[in-house]
Amino acid sequence: EVHLLESGGGLVQPGGSLVLSCVASGFSFDLYPMSWVRVRQSPGKGLDWVSAISGGGDSTYHADPVRGRFTISRDNSKNTVYLQMNSLRDEDTAQYFCVKGDYGPGGFYYFDHWGRGALVTVSS
Amino acid sequence: EIVMTQSPATLSVSPGESATLSCRASQTVGSDLAWYQHKPGQAPRLLIYGASTRASGFPGRFSGSGSGAEFSLTISGLQSEDFAVYYCQQYNSWPQTFGQGTKVEIK
Repeated sequence: EVHLLESGGGLVQPGGSLVLSCVASGFSFDLYPMSWVRVRQSPGKGLDWVSAISGGGDSTYHADPVRGRFTISRDNSKNTVYLQMNSLRDEDTAQYFCVKGDYGPGGFYYFDHWGRGALVTVSS
Repeated sequence: EIVMTQSPATLSVSPGESATLSCRASQTVGSDLAWYQHKPGQAPRLLIYGASTRASGFPGRFSGSGSGAEFSLTISGLQSEDFAVYYCQQYNSWPQTFGQGTKVEIK
């Protein structure tokens, strides 16, 4: 059974930094892409993809609102994916989910397993 | 990027009734469309992928249809555990994008 367990959330001041970790189990970790997806607490806000990393860790991608501030990485020896978040802003306040990707026939992937999430609150 | 638009934003349904949720893409995504169910305080769950393939753990009252740019999710005979927010997501091109969600609430 696949399990994804996030940690590292908390309260941080604007401009501050935080690192989220996600430990995975139940599958061959290095064969699958991993992503972070967030849901902000404001009414009308839905799911937003944040960052993604390939199975080998050689390719990373970030959404425009976080590019240059967030960095995704992974340690396949520890079955762990990380999200380094710098220069945090009020609008980064959200529940952050660690997500496993599974490939569709076209080469892109949907998200077949999700962690329970880590709450990040950016506030002074 | 492809914009996904879901309608309605909120759907009020009585238990036992059926609900149909719509999802429209700003350009064709083929059948690379997934649906997710999200309940408060829980992890979102993959419900449908490939536009119509039901993920494990979900009963047959959930069905997805459509291709190209128009998709729908039908829940037949809503039960109490089905009240949640449902999101569509395209994974045909980068970046994967979500719709804004449809909240299915008890009428």
